[in-house]
Amino acid sequence: GAVVSQHPSWVICKSGTSVKIECRSLDFQATTMFWYRQFPKQSLMLMATSNEGSKATYEQGVEKDKFLINHASLTLSTLTVTSAHPEDSSFYICSAKEWVTNEKLFFGSGTQLSVL
Amino acid sequence: SQQGEEDPQALSIQEGENATMNCSYKTSINNLQWYRQNSGRGLVHLILIRSNEREKHSGRLRVTLDTSKKSSSLLITASRAADTASYFCATGLQGAQKLVFGQGTRLTINP
Repeated sequence: GAVVSQHPSWVICKSGTSVKIECRSLDFQATTMFWYRQFPKQSLMLMATSNEGSKATYEQGVEKDKFLINHASLTLSTLTVTSAHPEDSSFYICSAKEWVTNEKLFFGSGTQLSVL
Repeated sequence: SQQGEEDPQALSIQEGENATMNCSYKTSINNLQWYRQNSGRGLVHLILIRSNEREKHSGRLRVTLDTSKKSSSLLITASRAADTASYFCATGLQGAQKLVFGQGTRLTINP
């Protein structure tokens, strides 16, 4: 099956620093990727839809300047958490749509962000 | 906003028993999908059922869809300890790219 690689798996950073998370589709081209945030024992909250070559579409309540998304190629989307604060600590997961039927999602393994 | 409501929120059963999880949604859909998540990991797609289908099987998984009641169920037969995970339903909305995920059911299989 298709593979989506997400790095890093975990990151610890100081408050005020920026953190970049990469999401790569390894064996297929992903014109659309999605970024989610998940708190412990809760569901996935969609943050934004990333479209290759165009601006990301953010969900209501998600700060565009805080969570910068770049989808510069058909295999790579990045999420940058700018000026991170402890409340940004969370599990971030990316996914890419399966390219044949454009229905199901393939997920990265997630990034646990801890901001001190 | 979340569309799916899953029931139960948590389920604990003995190995070998069947596990049933339910999902309800609010708006018209193209398809409904079930995903599994092991703790601290990404999600894995299990099965997709389209709006014009009523039942689908894949190995030990059986999914039903009732569009009149806007509900779906996932049955895992002959459960194994390795089935311990969180299970999420996700709806593919008409005219939308994104999937909307339910709250999930945390399934624990006791050996």
